[in-house]
Amino acid sequence: DAGVIQSPRHEVTEMGQEVTLRCKPISGHDYLFWYRQTMMRGLELLIYFNNNVPIDDSGMPEDRFSAKMPNASFSTLKIQPSEPRDSAVYFCASSFESTGELFFGEGSRLTVL
Amino acid sequence: GENVEQHPSTLSVQEGDSAVIKCTYSDSASNYFPWYKQELGKRPQLIIDIRSNVGEKKDQRIAVTLNKTAKHFSLHITETQPEDSAVYFCAATLSGNTPLVFGKGTRLSVIA
Repeated sequence: DAGVIQSPRHEVTEMGQEVTLRCKPISGHDYLFWYRQTMMRGLELLIYFNNNVPIDDSGMPEDRFSAKMPNASFSTLKIQPSEPRDSAVYFCASSFESTGELFFGEGSRLTVL
Repeated sequence: GENVEQHPSTLSVQEGDSAVIKCTYSDSASNYFPWYKQELGKRPQLIIDIRSNVGEKKDQRIAVTLNKTAKHFSLHITETQPEDSAVYFCAATLSGNTPLVFGKGTRLSVIA
């Protein structure tokens, strides 16, 4: 397996634009997590899914953030409209069970100007 | 919910010396404690983990200790090498349906 695949790796956009980050988890994994990493706040859990169903989205900072998992092999994290304070590295991770080993993707580095 | 505190935030050691990173957690029900290593510009990767039924676990130059009474656990790296330079994250959770809660990380620099 190629591991967790995220795209894009880098995104530079202007304030107010819509941003969509994509993730393909490892095949067979039943949990998918979206984390945001910043220097100030470290690794923050935004939302996680179990068998494609959102379980806890309490970490999503605002209504501008939304996430979907239409099938077992694809998830998106959308920010609309984007703001400069959204600049961060966004990681997707998957695991076979919620407290099994987390496998992270390479991350998507978002810069909002 | 669970809260994980990690210290120090930065740590510099001479090559060959030992490094110790400490974490405390708040939820006494937590029973799974992994450590992740993140090299510059890379993804976090699991390096070692411990469950609450053991007090210590070793894997070559790294070891983790757990004190459930005090609700703290530590990562020990012996004979440090330059390639150990990275950010290390501790995490805790209750096995089952709850995700990991991470500490804020420790940036370890090993000086040759």
